[in-house]
Amino acid sequence: AQSVTQLGSHVSVSEGALVLLRCNYSSSVPPYLFWYVQYPNQGLQLLLKYTTGATLVKGINGFEAEFKKSETSFHLTKPSAHMSDAAEYFCAVIIPGGADGLTFGKGTHLIIQP
Amino acid sequence: KAGVTQTPRYLIKTRGQQVTLSCSPISGHRSVSWYQQTPGQGLQFLFEYFSETQRNKGNFPGRFSGRQFSNSRSEMNVSTLELGDSALYLCASSEGQGKTDTQYFGPGTRLTVL
Repeated sequence: AQSVTQLGSHVSVSEGALVLLRCNYSSSVPPYLFWYVQYPNQGLQLLLKYTTGATLVKGINGFEAEFKKSETSFHLTKPSAHMSDAAEYFCAVIIPGGADGLTFGKGTHLIIQP
Repeated sequence: KAGVTQTPRYLIKTRGQQVTLSCSPISGHRSVSWYQQTPGQGLQFLFEYFSETQRNKGNFPGRFSGRQFSNSRSEMNVSTLELGDSALYLCASSEGQGKTDTQYFGPGTRLTVL
């Protein structure tokens, strides 16, 4: 079965600093990978996804992520944090042809310090 | 297009009761998935429906069930409620049942079991 590990349940960065949220996965076959963001009292919004092709994926709000098969990682980055980026971020995988829906990590709460 | 809508947004029930939650997908979307979100277990896949048929099911007891109607609207039912069923229940819709299809999430229904 597949699994997702997000390192750090809470990450704090200063406004304007680099944001790095870590995601590692375990899967018997190469999965499709997703990053979602959840603001308080709201559902999840897709930031970006990797299915095939270029391993560096650009998403909304200036976020990007790079799929590294050798490291089984899909870390999320943003060059310069903004106060509005404060939210919960979830990494997720889905197996091509698999029977399950999205498998999520536990989430990382991003805190932006002024 | 209107987003995914879920009703009701908040619900309070007592142990032993049953509950029905409703989800209206984005117009044109034929696939609906349900997820349970709790602080302890995180986000977990419940089931997926496509064209009125349950395609996949997560690891939940039979007390959790669902259905999809011809207009793609979906309901999920939880019978004999337990305290541990208190959670945010999220519905997501996608155009098809392909694993690369983006799942768009609704705001969720917050269920509290007393």
